[in-house]
Amino acid sequence: DAKTTQPTSMDCAEGRAANLPCNHSTISGNEYVYWYRQIHSQGPQYIIHGLKNNETNEMASLIITEDRKSSTLILPHATLRDTAVYYCIVRPGDHNRGGSNYKLTFGKGTLLTVNP
Amino acid sequence: DTGVSQDPRHKITKRGQNVTFRCDPISEHNRLYWYRQTLGQGPEFLTYFQNEAQLEKSRLLSDRFSAERPKGSFSTLEIQRTEQGDSAMYLCASSLGGEQFFGPGTRLTVL
Repeated sequence: DAKTTQPTSMDCAEGRAANLPCNHSTISGNEYVYWYRQIHSQGPQYIIHGLKNNETNEMASLIITEDRKSSTLILPHATLRDTAVYYCIVRPGDHNRGGSNYKLTFGKGTLLTVNP
Repeated sequence: DTGVSQDPRHKITKRGQNVTFRCDPISEHNRLYWYRQTLGQGPEFLTYFQNEAQLEKSRLLSDRFSAERPKGSFSTLEIQRTEQGDSAMYLCASSLGGEQFFGPGTRLTVL
């Protein structure tokens, strides 16, 4: 079962920042927060991941609270092509052995609709 | 840059028939995963290979399902005696560690 809770849907105006929240109150100390998105009829696409520090890449920023019980994915300037389902996933890091540590457990995600 | 490819992209079959899907991972990725996604749900893990070894299988993978990864390169997923409940998108992903890269999926429709 997914260990994360996300809103079912959100709307955002084109050009504005999209802030997608995720709750993961039972996250373990060795678990990372991963974000993927899935545009309609495509496979999921990796966005970003982090352990406890905030992270930024060319796609997005990830803000993780100090207690690590929640996080926010930020798309700084949303475009129409960012309309997708966004999945927040927690999973152990790769230094852990065992196949079960590597699979991704998806919830239902948040459908982000970017409006013109 | 060649990503993960899957073949076929779409498959329509009649109940009771066998189907086989192929996944070609990104070169040199030693890990390969299969997921299944039904309408309105997130992808669900089916099975995982590290090189040619199948290390984990979900309880979703009934006896009618079998996956192989000979020589640790491409992988095949076979479904025998298909049922209407098998209709779904079948996704393949590969990784070296950390992030997984997904293919476009094979959409299976069982009539």
